[in-house]
Amino acid sequence: KQEVTQIPAALSVPEGENLVLNCSFTDSAIYNLQWFRQDPGKGLTSLLLIQSSQREQTSGRLNASLDKSSGRSTLYIAASQPGDSATYLCAVRAGGTSYGKLTFGQGTILTVHP
Amino acid sequence: GAVVSQHPSRVICKSGTSVKIECRSLDFQATTMFWYRQFPKQSLMLMATSNEGSKATYEQGVEKDKFLINHASLTLSTLTVTSAHPEDSSFYICSARTFLTNEQFFGPGTRLTVL
Repeated sequence: KQEVTQIPAALSVPEGENLVLNCSFTDSAIYNLQWFRQDPGKGLTSLLLIQSSQREQTSGRLNASLDKSSGRSTLYIAASQPGDSATYLCAVRAGGTSYGKLTFGQGTILTVHP
Repeated sequence: GAVVSQHPSRVICKSGTSVKIECRSLDFQATTMFWYRQFPKQSLMLMATSNEGSKATYEQGVEKDKFLINHASLTLSTLTVTSAHPEDSSFYICSARTFLTNEQFFGPGTRLTVL
């Protein structure tokens, strides 16, 4: 059974800092990995999707890496802003097809203070 | 972009009543829809997967008679919580997968409170 763990559970940083969120998964047989953002009481917004054959993806100030063999992914946020405050969820899609189930980590609660 | 809506966004009901939550894909056809449940400060747990025109597939431990799922069209799925109890209070999120790209999009969630 796939298990996804995110570290740290919570993170508080001053505005402007660069930061790294970590995600690990137990079964390396994944189809892809996705990072989401969730604001309080809201649904999920997809940030980055990395296919199993890829090593990283970038979007603006966000960079996500994937090391499938070691079961790890990191989300790097550059020059953090108060608007980045949210819960960040990592999810892996199982198996060799796009129809596999998504398994979510428990999230990292990020607070960026001015 | 692909948008998934949910209605209602919040609902409060008395114990013993039934509540229906709608999930719609607004600008795409979704052959598959998913229902998740999220407890405070916890992650999303998949409850069931529904394909248009067929019965939903429930995850282990999810009571199919309590959480009725109907996926009658390519743009609408409903989750009905029957005979709701306070322990059913939770945040329910639906997700829809596009036929063309297999990408999965999430709705804004429904906060259910059972008194």
